[in-house]
Amino acid sequence: QQQVKQSPQSLIVQKGGISIINCAYENTAFDYFPWYQQFPGKGPALLIAIRPDVSEKKEGRFTISFNKSAKQFSLHIMDSQPGDSATYFCAARDPRSRGSSNTGKLIFGQGTTLQVKP
Amino acid sequence: IAGITQAPTSQILAAGRRMTLRCTQDMRHNAMYWYRQDLGLGLRLIHYSNTAGTTGKGEVPDGYSVSRANTDDFPLTLASAVPSQTSVYFCASIASSYNEQFFGPGTRLTVL
Repeated sequence: QQQVKQSPQSLIVQKGGISIINCAYENTAFDYFPWYQQFPGKGPALLIAIRPDVSEKKEGRFTISFNKSAKQFSLHIMDSQPGDSATYFCAARDPRSRGSSNTGKLIFGQGTTLQVKP
Repeated sequence: IAGITQAPTSQILAAGRRMTLRCTQDMRHNAMYWYRQDLGLGLRLIHYSNTAGTTGKGEVPDGYSVSRANTDDFPLTLASAVPSQTSVYFCASIASSYNEQFFGPGTRLTVL
């Protein structure tokens, strides 16, 4: 059972266009929603993150839109550039796994491979 | 070093062999994680450790074991490798909740 569902699996966008990646989750207890960016041959790196008490967060060309009632969140990449070509993962944190160190497990979506054409 | 290192970078392994993937972090992070990445399935958690001396099972723990003797090291062992364990393995760590989870560069493992 996939607790975080991500779509589309792949996406091709022209330079300057808007890239949109969507994620849906089931567990209303999830309390933290990061997006990770991964370039070929590298480990994922945090791109942007949001908590469920806000509906939108923007950092430069990257925006997370969060709809708590629909249990959905999305990543928007404005003015997409060829350098944005990468695999993107959404994730959700399960607070029940925090433990004594107050950390928690992330549950990842399936990933979206983005190609931005020049 | 700064961050997370993993070794080896890649490995081809015969089925049935034992293999330990190494992970070391120098950030003094409390929690560490092992994921496997497979096309179309994303990153799936194998095992985790919230603090040194404790470990827990993730989503796909079967066939894998971990230990956390100290803060810095979190090795992943395949006791008897099978072809379905062919994957890219990532180690990660985090200082505290809501902070960035740092990933290592990965180990590409092929089991024949």
